[in-house]
Amino acid sequence: AQSVTQLGSHVSVSEGALVLLRCNYSSSVPPYLFWYVQYPNQGLQLLLKYTSAATLVKGINGFEAEFKKSETSFHLTKPSAHMSDAAEYFCAVRTYSGGGADGLTFGKGTHLIIQP
Amino acid sequence: DAGITQSPRHKVTETGTPVTLRCHQTENHRYMYWYRQDPGHGLRLIHYSYGVKDTDKGEVSDGYSVSRSKTEDFLLTLESATSSQTSVYFCGTSTSSYEQYFGPGTRLTVT
Repeated sequence: AQSVTQLGSHVSVSEGALVLLRCNYSSSVPPYLFWYVQYPNQGLQLLLKYTSAATLVKGINGFEAEFKKSETSFHLTKPSAHMSDAAEYFCAVRTYSGGGADGLTFGKGTHLIIQP
Repeated sequence: DAGITQSPRHKVTETGTPVTLRCHQTENHRYMYWYRQDPGHGLRLIHYSYGVKDTDKGEVSDGYSVSRSKTEDFLLTLESATSSQTSVYFCGTSTSSYEQYFGPGTRLTVT
C-alpha cells in the first residue's frame, strides 16, 4: 500500500525567503510522486512529477523537488517566495490498483502563507 | 491542461435525496476518477474508471455509485445523500503517463 505524510499543515515564510514543504512517502513499489497546488476555490494544478528519471525535478513557477529514496522523501522547494505562491500544496503518490487505472493517494495538504 | 468540466458547480440538497454529479472531458483520456476533498483529509478516491463501462471502487466508495457510458462522461451518484457526504468533489482524468488533471470541483452541501 502507498501513503503520504506532509509535515506541517501550515507553513509561513516571508516574501523572498526559501520555501520548503516536506513530504514523506511509503510505497511497496518504486514510487511515482507528484506535487499539486490548489488556489482558493479552484481545482488542483500539477506542479511537478517524479517518474523514476532524474531525482531532481523542476516544475512550474520556479518550484523543484528532490527524490531521496534513502529518506523516502520528496520535499518541495522554491528559492524565493512570492506573494502569489500562497496556496494549498498537496503531495501525492501513485496508487497501484491492479485494475489498470492507478489513482493517487494524497497527503493532507500544507497551507503556504507568505508574509509581506 | 485537459478540458474537464464539472456540473453542477454548487448544489444544496436535502438528506435522503438522490444526487448526480457529472464530469465531462474533451481530451479523450482513458482513465477517469472521482475524489472528495474534506478539511484535514486531502483528496480521497471514491471510484475510478479504466474505460467505458469499466469501473471500480476506491478508498471511500460506500454510498456512491458511478457510471461511464461514453469516454467523455463520468457520473457520480449519491443514491440517498447524507450529511457526511457534504464535501467538495473533484473529477480527474489521466493518460497512461499517470499524471492526473483535475476539474474545477463541485461543492455539495447536504442539509
